[in-house]
Amino acid sequence: AQTVTQSQPEMSVQEAETVTLSCTYDTSESDYYLFWYKQPPSRQMILVIRQEAYKQQNATENRFSVNFQKAAKSFSLKISDSQLGDAAMYFCALNFGNEKLTFGTGTRLTIIP
Amino acid sequence: GAVVSQHPSRVICKSGTSVKIECRSLDFQATTMFWYRQFPKQSLMLMATSNEGSKATYEQGVEKDKFLINHASLTLSTLTVTSAHPEDSSFYICSARDLEGLGTDTQYFGPGTRLTVL
Repeated sequence: AQTVTQSQPEMSVQEAETVTLSCTYDTSESDYYLFWYKQPPSRQMILVIRQEAYKQQNATENRFSVNFQKAAKSFSLKISDSQLGDAAMYFCALNFGNEKLTFGTGTRLTIIP
Repeated sequence: GAVVSQHPSRVICKSGTSVKIECRSLDFQATTMFWYRQFPKQSLMLMATSNEGSKATYEQGVEKDKFLINHASLTLSTLTVTSAHPEDSSFYICSARDLEGLGTDTQYFGPGTRLTVL
């Protein structure tokens, strides 16, 4: 069974600062995919970034980057230059090809103006 | 690209009636779609996996006769909540798997449907 753990129910960051959201996971598979999704107050789930486990290079999408540590089964999300629009619930998720996404419990991110 | 729509966005119905929710992939073909339920301040709970042209696969504890899923085309899946009761009130979200876009098992989500059963 796969599990995804987000140990930070809530985080806050000053606007323009950098924040890191933590995610750890457990799977017996060697080839899998990891995702960060954002759910703003509109409740639309938005893909932020994805990482393929076989790639050692950390994924980056503009201000969003990940620190993927495969051996430690850690997949943290770093948001640089935080903006008010980044305020949302962030979910870490894991998939290894059986088509099901396993989600963490989420981290609510607040941006302080 | 990779846009998923859901209709309706909100629905209010009386107890005992049935409600149909549509999920469409607008710019890609989706052989597989997923239906989730989300309670307030909680994560998404997978209800079922919908495969085009075949029967849906339901998660443990989800009533098949209560939540009917049809995936009749590569761009449309429907969820029908039959004989709805107040405890079925929730936020329902669909997603579609785009195999060709990013070439990975990435799911794109619809905007969700808020169901309120009176």
